[in-house]
Amino acid sequence: NAGVTQTPKFQVLKTGQSMTLQCAQDMNHNSMYWYRQDPGMGLRLIYYSASEGTTDKGEVPNGYNVSRLNKREFSLRLESAAPSQTSVYFCASSEAKNRRDYEQYFGPGTRLTVT
Amino acid sequence: GNSVTQMEGPVTLSEEAFLTINCTYTATGYPSLFWYVQYPGEGLQLLLKATKADDKGSNKGFEATYRKETTSFHLEKGSVQVSDSAVYFCALLNTNAGKSTFGDGTTLTVKP
Repeated sequence: NAGVTQTPKFQVLKTGQSMTLQCAQDMNHNSMYWYRQDPGMGLRLIYYSASEGTTDKGEVPNGYNVSRLNKREFSLRLESAAPSQTSVYFCASSEAKNRRDYEQYFGPGTRLTVT
Repeated sequence: GNSVTQMEGPVTLSEEAFLTINCTYTATGYPSLFWYVQYPGEGLQLLLKATKADDKGSNKGFEATYRKETTSFHLEKGSVQVSDSAVYFCALLNTNAGKSTFGDGTTLTVKP
């Protein structure tokens, strides 16, 4: 049981290049999330998917697109990378135990540097 | 909107010292509250949670009580260990939307 996996672990891009961050979970969770983590700013939600086939914008969606390929996989695409997108990206998944309890499970993160 | 304010860090303690990390929140509605911990080079993992007012969450010697009257969820541990060195995040769950809001994180370093 691998939990939440992310690839790649590290990536360096030049300004204007594109790339896709991959995320997969094997816990049969309905909900999946993409966050970015910047120093002193906690985690900010980029996009989330409440269930297969649905996606919604979070707090900071500009410059990103997502695809919920199936129940297991949720990818994040940068179409034209900018230095402001240098960050650590975390994928997470959750399944509601009840309406008030959504424990999130996080992947190990992708460290992205845009030069 | 929702927001979480954590005590600013970094926090440095000696082993066996008492730990408090303050967390207060602003929320529309009636959120659930969580503490997550991030060890170096890893993703976040759940430390403890409380889903209703006056609940106490506890795990690995850490505790936090959901205080609705003061909108707080302070993390405490009676005797910290070097292995507790990590970044701690307070978070609230908007139960209507199923989305979480995280604080900025507090870095704890415990010295032998």
